[in-house]
Amino acid sequence: AQSVTQLDSQVPVFEEAPVELRCNYSSSVSVYLFWYVQYPNQGLQLLLKYLSGSTLVKGINGFEAEFNKSQTSFHLRKPSVHISDTAEYFCAVSDRGQYGNKLVFGAGTILRVKS
Amino acid sequence: KAGVTQTPRYLIKTRGQQVTLSCSPISGHRSVSWYQQTPGQGLQFLFEYFSETQRNKGNFPGRFSGRQFSNSRSEMNVSTLELGDSALYLCASSADFLPTGELFFGEGSRLTVL
Repeated sequence: AQSVTQLDSQVPVFEEAPVELRCNYSSSVSVYLFWYVQYPNQGLQLLLKYLSGSTLVKGINGFEAEFNKSQTSFHLRKPSVHISDTAEYFCAVSDRGQYGNKLVFGAGTILRVKS
Repeated sequence: KAGVTQTPRYLIKTRGQQVTLSCSPISGHRSVSWYQQTPGQGLQFLFEYFSETQRNKGNFPGRFSGRQFSNSRSEMNVSTLELGDSALYLCASSADFLPTGELFFGEGSRLTVL
């Protein structure tokens, strides 16, 4: 069964500093990878996704992620964070060969941006 | 266009009762998925419906069930509620049934079981 490990439960960072949220997945099959963000009292919103092609994926709000197949990682980065980036971030994976949209999510990383 | 709408947003039930949650997907979307979110277990997949048929199911007991109507609206039902069913239930819709699809989530229905 697939699993996703988000290595940090909380990441505090000062405003305008860079940030990296780490994600590793465990799968013996080819996968699609996603990062979602959840703001307080809201549902999840897709930040970016890796399907194929370039291993560097750019998403919304200045976020980007790099797919590393040999290390089974998909770390999320932003060069300069804002207070408004404070939220919980989820890494997720789906099986390329599966039928449907079932996602397996990591436990989440809370990003706290301080002024 | 309107996003995914879930009702009710908040509800309180007691053990042994049953509950029905509703989800209206984005217009034109035919796939609806349900997830349970709890502090302890995180986000867990419940089931997915496409064209009124359950296509995928997660590892939840039979007390959890759902259905999808011809207009793609979906409901999920939990019978014989237990304290551990307290959670945020999220509905997500997608235009198609491919694993590459983007999921659009509603704001969730927060269920508290007393």
